[in-house]
Amino acid sequence: DTGVSQDPRHKITKRGQNVTFRCDPISEHNRLYWYRQTLGQGPEFLTYFQNEAQLEKSRLLSDRFSAERPKGSFSTLEIQRTEQGDSAMYLCASSWTSGQGDQYFGPGTRLLVL
Amino acid sequence: KNEVEQSPQNLTAQEGEFITINCSYSVGISALHWLQQHPGGGIVSLFMLSSGKKKHGRLIATINIQEKHSSLHITASHPRDSAVYICAVEGAAGNKLTFGGGTRVLVKP
Repeated sequence: DTGVSQDPRHKITKRGQNVTFRCDPISEHNRLYWYRQTLGQGPEFLTYFQNEAQLEKSRLLSDRFSAERPKGSFSTLEIQRTEQGDSAMYLCASSWTSGQGDQYFGPGTRLLVL
Repeated sequence: KNEVEQSPQNLTAQEGEFITINCSYSVGISALHWLQQHPGGGIVSLFMLSSGKKKHGRLIATINIQEKHSSLHITASHPRDSAVYICAVEGAAGNKLTFGGGTRVLVKP
């Protein structure tokens, strides 16, 4: 399977714990995006990378959130000191380039903070 | 006001009916995407448009750049078309997507 993969698919954690999600993009894609989707809403942009460089971060991404793409391949999204409001689906997408490149989405990681 | 507005929010149709979903946006864009999301979360790209019209099977997408409006049409709808359809725009700088709230479509047999 050469699609975008995300791990884990589901995560339940207690408030205050740290969680880390992983995204493996399509191998030849140089752009990687993180989005967050709460129940009944459309996704919202969090951040994106071109190769290993993080080029933009949303104001939604508080200091508790950090994302990395150290070798320009897979990416991790870490949430420190989770809050109940962090409960959402975290979606990863990748594309070859901007403006005319389709974004391919992973299956998402559903996070529930108790 | 959201940058991307979709209507309707919910739509129920009988199998075989023609369905139209509308999307209006207020910012300059380099492309507009129509996406399909099934229960469980997976998102699939249906179309990417920067002008005109595209057709794939029973799905047709149109865009009017001057009016900042796009439509997604489903002809001869089928229960398997039941899903959430999301409009998203790619900014003029051509990077992140800004999404509409989605249209939940239910096609009854």
